[in-house]
Amino acid sequence: SQQGEEDPQALSIQEGENATMNCSYKTSINNLQWYRQNSGRGLVHLILIRSNEREKHSGRLRVTLDTSKKSSSLLITASRAADTASYFCATGSNYQLIWGAGTKLIIKP
Amino acid sequence: DAGITQSPRHKVTETGTPVTLRCHQTENHRYMYWYRQDPGHGLRLIHYSYGVKDTDKGEVSDGYSVSRSKTEDFLLTLESATSSQTSVYFCAISAQESGTEAFFGQGTRLTVV
Repeated sequence: SQQGEEDPQALSIQEGENATMNCSYKTSINNLQWYRQNSGRGLVHLILIRSNEREKHSGRLRVTLDTSKKSSSLLITASRAADTASYFCATGSNYQLIWGAGTKLIIKP
Repeated sequence: DAGITQSPRHKVTETGTPVTLRCHQTENHRYMYWYRQDPGHGLRLIHYSYGVKDTDKGEVSDGYSVSRSKTEDFLLTLESATSSQTSVYFCAISAQESGTEAFFGQGTRLTVV
């Protein structure tokens, strides 16, 4: 069953703009992770936020977590063409990660 | 990049034949996972392993079996391939269950005709 659900399913913006993706989940979690997948490639870990954290930064990435609303957002600032990819959230609880269907981000030059 | 290799990268097989996919890691991570990725479904867990000879089922395990005889190798077998098993298969490894990042292989694109 799908735990995380990303919104929007697809997003197209101009290079230099900020991109925001959201993830909602259903059950309690230990952590929430964001991954990027370039076309035809494996997934690459971007950032992990624990359930007792509210915000985390890594370079141009900012992740927030609201456990009361069971939601998270990923903000990519000053987008670049190389950010074109699919982005997935995964919630960690017990022994596994449960994945959403992803947001496809396209950065237009 | 984490040392994780999947083989083969592409395979076309006929319905009813057995198929084995291999995942090899050089990171000595305890946990290994097999996922399938289909449009609109994200990643779905097939089986996972938490140690040598220790495996368990995931969400979509029917028609699949796994084996882990060495820390570094995790094999996924489709016992009798069906067209519904046409998919991209990813192996992942992690040092802990779900509390740390997972590292992914490049994927195996399997087509069952």
